[in-house]
Amino acid sequence: EAGVAQSPRYKIIEKRQSVAFWCNPISGHATLYWYQQILGQGPKLLIQFQNNGVVDDSQLPKDRFSAERLKGVDSTLKIQPAKLEDSAVYLCASSLMDRGPYEQYFGPGTRLTVT
Amino acid sequence: SQQGEEDPQALSIQEGENATMNCSYKTSINNLQWYRQNSGRGLVHLILIRSNEREKHSGRLRVTLDTSKKSSSLLITASRAADTASYFCATAGMDSSYKLIFGSGTRLLVRP
Repeated sequence: EAGVAQSPRYKIIEKRQSVAFWCNPISGHATLYWYQQILGQGPKLLIQFQNNGVVDDSQLPKDRFSAERLKGVDSTLKIQPAKLEDSAVYLCASSLMDRGPYEQYFGPGTRLTVT
Repeated sequence: SQQGEEDPQALSIQEGENATMNCSYKTSINNLQWYRQNSGRGLVHLILIRSNEREKHSGRLRVTLDTSKKSSSLLITASRAADTASYFCATAGMDSSYKLIFGSGTRLLVRP
């Protein structure tokens, strides 16, 4: 089966600019996650969707970050305006989650550099 | 905040040796998972152990869980150069979201 797809793979922007990342989860996976991974650290959950509803966005900086998952499939994560500290890898993951806790399947990530 | 903390932060071993990584966490969990991340890539799920399990095996991997000590260990036997990667533990809480909280990882280098 096809894995989690993300684009772009790399992005370089200046601070105060905006950027958007796209994710296509594995077909049939109801739950979608966005993580931020700063160099040398583990991934930190930004937002979790169950179908097209938000389950958890407690660590999403809502003044600058937004995410949506239209029709319960693809998802977009946006940063506007970007700050230097947003430089990180943004990982998208998906899981079945229809019968309890399952492993998550990760995409390759988008490496964002803010200058 | 990160719940799991891995120890050691970095580990260098010779090919063929065993590698042991430890993870400690703070609050009650539903399950604990281990993931591998090769340089510049996404994470790959290795193994999931539930809170009522004490040990689990998968190929060359052995995971133990001690809920009384809030700790887990990952053992990789007969390591290979291809095992070079960062290894993360992640804990799923007791609430229905089962969201994962990742530790800071152990960087493993297996020398040929």
